[in-house]
Amino acid sequence: GAVVSQHPSRVICKSGTSVKIECRSLDFQATTMFWYRQFPKQSLMLMATSNEGSKATYEQGVEKDKFLINHASLTLSTLTVTSAHPEDSSFYICRTSGGAGTDTQYFGPGTRLTVL
Amino acid sequence: DAKTTQPPSMDCAEGRAANLPCNHSTISGNEYVYWYRQIHSQGPQYIIHGLKNNETNEMASLIITEDRKSSTLILPHATLRDTAVYYCIVSDGIQGAQKLVFGQGTRLTINP
Repeated sequence: GAVVSQHPSRVICKSGTSVKIECRSLDFQATTMFWYRQFPKQSLMLMATSNEGSKATYEQGVEKDKFLINHASLTLSTLTVTSAHPEDSSFYICRTSGGAGTDTQYFGPGTRLTVL
Repeated sequence: DAKTTQPPSMDCAEGRAANLPCNHSTISGNEYVYWYRQIHSQGPQYIIHGLKNNETNEMASLIITEDRKSSTLILPHATLRDTAVYYCIVSDGIQGAQKLVFGQGTRLTINP
């Protein structure tokens, strides 16, 4: 069964609103979580890395004030897309890791965001 | 930037072995080779990884050249459900916590 879940799986919102995407680790404690986005017919692009209880590290070109990441517990990380615009429409995917020295890492099923 | 080069697309007949090449000529000594695949509109699925020895699991085999500059993922008996985009990734760092930077991958189509 699934070890990582994302909610919602699909979301449609109006331009200017904020959208929160949850990533839950179901069977293990996820020390580190990674957030990716994927535009149609393109590859995955890493957005940020977060460790439980600390601030996320963002990749170059990713606005930290627009994509808010919270990793407050070992089983939950959230990505909030603030003031969403149509160009933010994308497939957002989380990846969880059980931490250094483990092979426990899984991708979530993804969240399809459409901003009208 | 991705450190690997893969053909953009490949076709394979159902039931035959699918051999997916990957070039990683700039790989460094502590970097592993990972393979993932992504079926349309789903999250990536881990397939296999290796450092320098060939590896095999229930899904596939990974053949890494002796100089480690290239590798081949082998799906021994491809089925229609193996149609997906296959990503070859090299990554260092502490296993489990390393970044995985995706390139463009190979779109593998299994034909009946």
